[in-house]
Amino acid sequence: DIQMTQSPSSVSASVGDRVTITCRASQGISSWLAWYQQKPGKAPKLLIYAASSLQSGVPSRFSGSGSGTDFTLTISSLQPEDFATYYCQQANSFPGFGGGTKVEIK
Amino acid sequence: EVQLVESGGVVVQPGGSLRLSCAASGFTFDDYAMHWVRQAPGKGLEWVSLISWDGGSTYYADSVKGRFTISRDNSKNSLYLQMNSLRAEDTALYYCAKDIAGGSGEHYFDYWGQGTLVTVSS
Repeated sequence: DIQMTQSPSSVSASVGDRVTITCRASQGISSWLAWYQQKPGKAPKLLIYAASSLQSGVPSRFSGSGSGTDFTLTISSLQPEDFATYYCQQANSFPGFGGGTKVEIK
Repeated sequence: EVQLVESGGVVVQPGGSLRLSCAASGFTFDDYAMHWVRQAPGKGLEWVSLISWDGGSTYYADSVKGRFTISRDNSKNSLYLQMNSLRAEDTALYYCAKDIAGGSGEHYFDYWGQGTLVTVSS
């Protein structure tokens, strides 16, 4: 099984800050990676797929990069509605998620 | 508008069985693979199972293999999860999720339902 490790597990930030979340796969997954945002009591929302492709309707302040084993989600200027938990996901025939990163208000 | 509506979640005793359903609308159901993903209370996301657009291919997480069965009825735009030999650790909110494509290659979940809660407890 491919293990996905996210860091940090939580981050405190202010509105306007640049926030970076990393995800590491236990083996190479090419660019087969997605990022999701989940708010309390809500279903996850797809933000980025294929490591760097922005899902339709997602603001351009979200971006993804990386390939192989190391990936990054960047929020260029944090907005109030961005406080949430973020998950990475490897996309092979047995998909798996990272443990999540909670973005909290500083 | 894409809609996924799960149902069937209840409180069930350990060792019991349950069938979850997901009613899909707003897209051509038989063009897409479908998944079940679960989330234990206060925990992260866990992928459970995948079925290809035609039902010809199915995949399961090791944690449920041999106990859960995924199926679909394209004539009814519906997805199912038969859950047998339930354990306390199966307690979770179960989401139905639409794949971004038909079933081969990469699997991304572009639409999710609101989930149905399964509680396994005596």
